[in-house]
Amino acid sequence: SAVISQKPSRDICQRGTSLTIQCQVDSQVTMMFWYRQQPGQSLTLIATANQGSEATYESGFVIDKFPISRPNLTFSTLTVSNMSPEDSSIYLCSVDWGSNTGELFFGEGSRLTVL
Amino acid sequence: GQSLEQPSEVTAVEGAIVQINCTYQTSGFYGLSWYQQHDGGAPTFLSYNALDGLEETGRFSSFLSRSDSYGYLLLQELQMKDSASYFCALGTGFQKLVFGTGTRLLVSP
Repeated sequence: SAVISQKPSRDICQRGTSLTIQCQVDSQVTMMFWYRQQPGQSLTLIATANQGSEATYESGFVIDKFPISRPNLTFSTLTVSNMSPEDSSIYLCSVDWGSNTGELFFGEGSRLTVL
Repeated sequence: GQSLEQPSEVTAVEGAIVQINCTYQTSGFYGLSWYQQHDGGAPTFLSYNALDGLEETGRFSSFLSRSDSYGYLLLQELQMKDSASYFCALGTGFQKLVFGTGTRLLVSP
């Protein structure tokens, strides 16, 4: 298993600002993912954070809006840029431990409210 | 693309058995996973089916039928702490998951 720490756990942001969410894992992992969960909804994959290369974004998500860094095998950041109220969501970092069993480990999430 | 449909809410009483269904549409996938999420908490992994059939893990069992594009999660001996949201998810490659719409389970005394 893995211990995944996310910061901040929650924040209230003003429209038009940007916020960076940090994800720290207690051991090296190859695959890190960022998901979004809007209030009362399911989880949607934003991107796969690749160490040493650009993140891979899913349809509907772009790098200018959600820039991602992955400087090493234990850390990643997701920035939510130029926020609007529609960006109010829980943002979740997750890692794959390489078990090939469909098991991802999730951080506790960062709950953002945009006013 | 992929889509997974689940009932929005299921209610049951303590000690009962409940089944949460998941129907999906996809051109291909590696397996079907199930996750539990309590309010305000992180999703946690429950079960995985790579092949058709039943997988049992304690009080929880999961079933997959690829020919019917269907799976379910079976929870036995329900406890109050099982009140949570449950998500099915398709593994689409490179360890990526596409999650279902989610089912809120309410367990009453």
